[in-house]
Amino acid sequence: SQKIEQNSEALNIQEGKTATLTCNYTNYSPAYLQWYRQDPGRGPVFLLLIRENEKEKRKERLKVTFDTTLKQSLFHITASQPADSATYLCALGAGGGADGLTFGKGTHLIIQP
Amino acid sequence: EAGVAQSPRYKIIEKRQSVAFWCNPISGHATLYWYQQILGQGPKLLIQFQNNGVVDDSQLPKDRFSAERLKGVDSTLKIQPAKLEDSAVYLCASSLQGYSPLHFGNGTRLTVT
Repeated sequence: SQKIEQNSEALNIQEGKTATLTCNYTNYSPAYLQWYRQDPGRGPVFLLLIRENEKEKRKERLKVTFDTTLKQSLFHITASQPADSATYLCALGAGGGADGLTFGKGTHLIIQP
Repeated sequence: EAGVAQSPRYKIIEKRQSVAFWCNPISGHATLYWYQQILGQGPKLLIQFQNNGVVDDSQLPKDRFSAERLKGVDSTLKIQPAKLEDSAVYLCASSLQGYSPLHFGNGTRLTVT
């Protein structure tokens, strides 16, 4: 069955450092991958989308890579700030008509001042 | 633009009772999704609508859950009868089309006692 794995434990990073979050998947051939941020009591908020034929995408302090051979995506936040503390969700999309995303459990990121 | 609206924000019911959730998507978004998020887990797709029609309901427990999207705009999700394991946050999301980011509401937190 399809499986998406993200760091199951909280990730503690010191302010100013780069936070790197991992998303691994098995038994899946996604057409694209998305990353979302979720704060307590709120719905997920879209951050970045990367397609299967793309290796890297950047947006301000955010960078995502996508390796379809390794079946892995890495999500980087550079110059991290306490305001970046949240849960980050990886989501895979099959494309086509039934394009509802399949989400991982998320990684809880804590940026310490 | 106005975001995805959901109500109620919280709901507490006893098992075997029924409950309904309402969602108003972003104007112009043809695709609407209902997700279930159990504490500590990522969102799980229950049902996807494209305009009025159902695209994917493969993970919807149809013996107790039902959903409709009238006139291709608002949607309601109903549970009848509720079980303890239905305690979760029910998230509604909408998007323009495939590959588009999902825009989530803040969800309805359901507690079944």
